[in-house]
Amino acid sequence: DTGVSQDPRHKITKRGQNVTFRCDPISEHNRLYWYRQTLGQGPEFLTYFQNEAQLEKSRLLSDRFSAERPKGSFSTLEIQRTEQGDSAMYLCASSPARTGPTYEQYFGPGTRLTVT
Amino acid sequence: LAKTTQPISMDSYEGQEVNITCSHNNIATNDYITWYQQFPSQGPRFIIQGYKTKVTNEVASLFIPADRKSSTLSLPRVSLSDTAVYYCLVGDDKIIFGKGTRLHILP
Repeated sequence: DTGVSQDPRHKITKRGQNVTFRCDPISEHNRLYWYRQTLGQGPEFLTYFQNEAQLEKSRLLSDRFSAERPKGSFSTLEIQRTEQGDSAMYLCASSPARTGPTYEQYFGPGTRLTVT
Repeated sequence: LAKTTQPISMDSYEGQEVNITCSHNNIATNDYITWYQQFPSQGPRFIIQGYKTKVTNEVASLFIPADRKSSTLSLPRVSLSDTAVYYCLVGDDKIIFGKGTRLHILP
């Protein structure tokens, strides 16, 4: 257990429905990242926050995806009008303020989304 | 961002030392080399990070030659529980994962 929690762990939804995932990072970490991972592939970067500011979004993040981190603590990732291609593991990670050479990220267990 | 190349899969036996090499020919001056481990249905876990020469921790060693165009993760005396996917990453702020190396430890 890294201290990063994600909820729910599994979500099955029908195509066209909206889903929202939550990530609770390690409390003193000011950076929070979202990734998507499909079977046999490495995690793909989606977006990240420093405190409440969303600093970067991947081109993978279509208009149907939105992420928030309203108070710089937990974050939510919403997918609107889900498609079967959205089926994947959604991973959240957090990292502390930079004290070393780079940001060591601590990953949560992920939310597995299945769109039927 | 420097691209990395590593073997798709490797097999080894319990008790052996395993070395996984990663190529990163376009590594930038400021880039560090980081390795993550991922078990099925879990998020990746940080293993080790280095800039040059050799770094060792309680889990692994990382060897980086002077030109820094490659690196080798060394896992001493592996066990069945080391079966996982190992990712080599190069960069500064952003972490970009490739497909990793699937390491399978046999009894």
